[in-house]
Amino acid sequence: GAGVSQTPSNKVTEKGKYVELRCDPISGHTALYWYRQSLGQGPEFLIYFQGTGAADDSGLPNDRFFAVRPEGSVSTLKIQRTERGDSAVYLCASSLRRIANVNEQFFGPGTRLTVL
Amino acid sequence: AQTVTQSQPEMSVQEAETVTLSCTYDTSESDYYLFWYKQPPSRQMILVIRQEAYKQQNATENRFSVNFQKAAKSFSLKISDSQLGDAAMYFCAPVFDMRFGAGTRLTVKP
Repeated sequence: GAGVSQTPSNKVTEKGKYVELRCDPISGHTALYWYRQSLGQGPEFLIYFQGTGAADDSGLPNDRFFAVRPEGSVSTLKIQRTERGDSAVYLCASSLRRIANVNEQFFGPGTRLTVL
Repeated sequence: AQTVTQSQPEMSVQEAETVTLSCTYDTSESDYYLFWYKQPPSRQMILVIRQEAYKQQNATENRFSVNFQKAAKSFSLKISDSQLGDAAMYFCAPVFDMRFGAGTRLTVKP
């Protein structure tokens, strides 16, 4: 596709449930990033993939959060035992390669997660 | 720790006027890139302008320009001839560790 896509655009779940959020990066982009954005805040880094491997997962808040990118393209962010504090917009971005080598990130429209 | 500070939570500008959004950061890196992103209510983050830290010349992109002062670790965004469509959240992202500033909400008054 022409840009980064994320599905679903909105997800409402109950406390304690498991959710998966999907990101389709721009074709050919090797780097993929997940961010969490709470209302009125800037994006908070969660995890960064270079290819299939998680190069930096230091932003994941706890072990309930996990992300995969098995074939180096689509990525899934998985949240177990959701809590109300997990409610936020989850943004995905991709770039040609690691951002420190200059390439800008292209962002998806985000998934708004609401935990009731 | 590397930090990014946007000290203006909200700014307002009259249409056609000029406004400057500030950003300061802290890093021990010597070579890096800096970006300003715009996030309208649709929440799609859009790149506004980029600056390469090793270049002394400030980047310009149409009505958008930066004032980059490497020694002071300052990276401000100037928007000239402000338009209603410029209304959005603006995020500074000096990209050495993928952190963003808290953002500045820009309102443009007709």
